Amino acid sequence: GAVVSQHPSWVICKSGTSVKIECRSLDFQATTMFWYRQFPKQSLMLMATSNEGSKATYEQGVEKDKFLINHASLTLSTLTVTSAHPEDSSFYICSARDSGGGEYEQYFGPGTRLTVT
Amino acid sequence: AQSVAQPEDQVNVAEGNPLTVKCTYSVSGNPYLFWYVQYPNRGLQFLLKYITGDNLVKGSYGFEAEFNKSQTSFHLKKPSALVSDSALYFCAVSQAGGYQKVTFGTGTKLQVIP
Repeated sequence: GAVVSQHPSWVICKSGTSVKIECRSLDFQATTMFWYRQFPKQSLMLMATSNEGSKATYEQGVEKDKFLINHASLTLSTLTVTSAHPEDSSFYICSARDSGGGEYEQYFGPGTRLTVT
Repeated sequence: AQSVAQPEDQVNVAEGNPLTVKCTYSVSGNPYLFWYVQYPNRGLQFLLKYITGDNLVKGSYGFEAEFNKSQTSFHLKKPSALVSDSALYFCAVSQAGGYQKVTFGTGTKLQVIP
């Protein structure tokens, strides 16, 4: 149980285009999902907290107009990187908390490797 | 502000020997503490957590961690390391109570030598 999927697992796009990454909780409902960014050999940087049915909460320094987050259902959150640039190339990881489980740990997706050329 | 320190970038241990990955934390009030493991190009997998109760917490794959409030530490341990334990390990902390923001450490690479 507690499986989180991400799609795509890797994507290459051209500078100036937009890319959408999906995060799904497969066997539980998640009112809250999280989006992280991880640079090589570094820790996870929380970008935003995605709340089902409401606006995402962005961390300081993260451009909300560039990284659009939508959490339209209890099992799906999407991150859209708009007008991507090479510096947006990174490993993006989502996670989710089981709303009904009363647990506090997060379950992570396998990550999406984004390369902007 | 809460924080997590993992003082060792890398830990090397021989297969079959005990391993320890260190973690200290800083948080207001009581902590919730977590350990996660990450294999190359993958997301993080949950290993174990301390929420309340017994200070010694047992988790997946034979790992355990001991919560030490006076030393604000939550070191990850395993009695006998396997080559397959080689991975990146993250310690994380949040404030106790409800669903609070989680802060991750910088990670420790564990290398188990055959």
